[in-house]
Amino acid sequence: DAGVTQSPTHLIKTRGQQVTLRCSPKSGHDTVSWYQQALGQGPQFIFQYYEEEERQRGNFPDRFSGHQFPNYSSELNVNALLLGDSALYLCASSLGGDGEAFFGQGTRLTVV
Amino acid sequence: LAKTTQPISMDSYEGQEVNITCSHNNIATNDYITWYQQFPSQGPRFIIQGYKTKVTNEVASLFIPADRKSSTLSLPRVSLSDTAVYYCLVGGLNSGGYQKVTFGTGTKLQVIP
Repeated sequence: DAGVTQSPTHLIKTRGQQVTLRCSPKSGHDTVSWYQQALGQGPQFIFQYYEEEERQRGNFPDRFSGHQFPNYSSELNVNALLLGDSALYLCASSLGGDGEAFFGQGTRLTVV
Repeated sequence: LAKTTQPISMDSYEGQEVNITCSHNNIATNDYITWYQQFPSQGPRFIIQGYKTKVTNEVASLFIPADRKSSTLSLPRVSLSDTAVYYCLVGGLNSGGYQKVTFGTGTKLQVIP
């Protein structure tokens, strides 16, 4: 049983560009959350998706948007990239609102 | 969500027991305490979760005093592979019935040969 898978593993983008990151949840999970982790910091909550809708959001600007598909997979989109968006982006899946969260390996985004 | 305070870093020799304490003075009645482990460039991994008293699993124990304002993660006989950052999280379902996992800065554990 595959756990949470994220793609790509590494990505380099230029300031001002747009990026899409992808996440496939653990089998049987229906809830996906996204986190941004800057170097040396703990993960910061971006938003959470359930039943294809965003139901919680952290303190991130509208440049960060997402989507969840009927198969529960999810995408994170970031527009107008800034140098400060360089980070490890983590996806976590769970079953329902209070299930144990399983994390993927993350996508390392570098903005130059 | 209740804010947590942990030591920034700890060192331990191989084979020793390591105890990492987390303070969460504003913990709410319905909050659980959860610990995650994270290796460099990997996602956090669930270690253990508890509500009160003591919880033990195959990798760790979690001690929670009666007032629940702190908790201690205990790792028995650590090895070099236990070198990682350990996060203490406190939270539960919010008013909307949804759980949001919020991380602090964590404790960087360095195991020394």
